[in-house]
Amino acid sequence: NAGVTQTPKFQVLKTGQSMTLQCAQDMNHEYMSWYRQDPGMGLRLIHYSVGAGITDQGEVPNGYNVSRSTTEDFPLRLLSAAPSQTSVYFCASRGGGRETQYFGPGTRLLVL
Amino acid sequence: QQQVKQSPQSLIVQKGGIPIINCAYENTAFDYFPWYQQFPGKGPALLIAIRPDVSEKKEGRFTISFNKSAKQFSLHIMDSQPGDSATYFCAASNSGGSNYKLTFGKGTLLTVNP
Repeated sequence: NAGVTQTPKFQVLKTGQSMTLQCAQDMNHEYMSWYRQDPGMGLRLIHYSVGAGITDQGEVPNGYNVSRSTTEDFPLRLLSAAPSQTSVYFCASRGGGRETQYFGPGTRLLVL
Repeated sequence: QQQVKQSPQSLIVQKGGIPIINCAYENTAFDYFPWYQQFPGKGPALLIAIRPDVSEKKEGRFTISFNKSAKQFSLHIMDSQPGDSATYFCAASNSGGSNYKLTFGKGTLLTVNP
């Protein structure tokens, strides 16, 4: 099992550009989430999904879109990047009825 | 509204010391309290977790103490080692919400000097 994988590892964007952060898991987990980590702010939930076709907003959803067409994949889209979106982004997954969340290695995003 | 407050922000101890990290929560519906460990450049990984029906849980050198009436819980690391140097996050969730959505504290950067 590869667990939770994220691509790219690092990305530089210019303000206004769009991009998609990829997340995939091979554990057949129902629940997937996106977090952003900023210094002194901990981990904040952006969006989450409880299964294919079902998504919902977390604590800081503005500026981000998600979709879940398959169990395995949960991409995060930035439609028009802003410097405030400079952060480290983590994807996580959890099996139904289980509590442990498994995190990916993260994507470091710099918006200039 | 910060639902899980974590302290201290950073902590430096000598090898063999017992660092203690504290968390306090507000939502009485929380019923699952995990601690995550994160090394530089890596994603967080579950270290240990507790439910409010017990006051203490040990796994190896790591212990969670839980005080339901005070709405506080803490992580103790016995005989700390330089390899324990990492950022530690406490978290809480409500299983009754059916999705175990985690609310994280802001993290504690632990440095264990040799």
